[in-house]
Amino acid sequence: DVKVTQSSRYLVKRTGEKVFLECVQDMDHENMFWYRQDPGLGLRLIYFSYDVKMKEKGDIPEGYSVSREKKERFSLILESASTNQTSMYLCASSLTTTNEKLFFGSGTQLSVL
Amino acid sequence: DQQVKQNSPSLSVQEGRISILNCDYTNSMFDYFLWYKKYPAEGPTFLISISSIKDKNEDGRFTVFLNKSAKHLSLHIVPSQPGDSAVYFCAASAVDTDKLIFGTGTRLQVFP
Repeated sequence: DVKVTQSSRYLVKRTGEKVFLECVQDMDHENMFWYRQDPGLGLRLIYFSYDVKMKEKGDIPEGYSVSREKKERFSLILESASTNQTSMYLCASSLTTTNEKLFFGSGTQLSVL
Repeated sequence: DQQVKQNSPSLSVQEGRISILNCDYTNSMFDYFLWYKKYPAEGPTFLISISSIKDKNEDGRFTVFLNKSAKHLSLHIVPSQPGDSAVYFCAASAVDTDKLIFGTGTRLQVFP
């Protein structure tokens, strides 16, 4: 089974802090994604990556950046955390480029105070 | 601009009966549709998918129907079981993009 591991289950940070969310997948997938889930808004794509050192903006990239130095690892960075970034963050990976089937991690619930 | 809409935030169904979850979309370029299920404290897991060249796909108790003219798809679960209680997301992708667009989710509760 594909395993997508997110480093933290819960995280509490203060406004203005730089925050790193880490994600690792073990199936040699080419593609990795970061979503956030908010009540009433579903899952919204923040950033995705097709390959090492490549990244593409999703629908809501403002206030975020990403890093993919190794194929198995995709990091989401909040440069200066704000309260409106309090959310559930979900990392996912997929083998193909057509997004047919994503494998998700368990999520990181981030609270920014 | 919500391209994929799930207008029912919640649904409650008795065990053994049929659950019908609905999803509407606006983008006529979408050609592949998926349903994901999410339990609390877990990530979403893939459930079933359908290509736009089909109007029905079945997998055990789960069937997805696609009505392209109405831009509508539905997920039927029969018979419903308490373990089906979860949040269900529909998602869509277009041939010229590599992004999945998710709906807002429907919380299904199956009671005994």
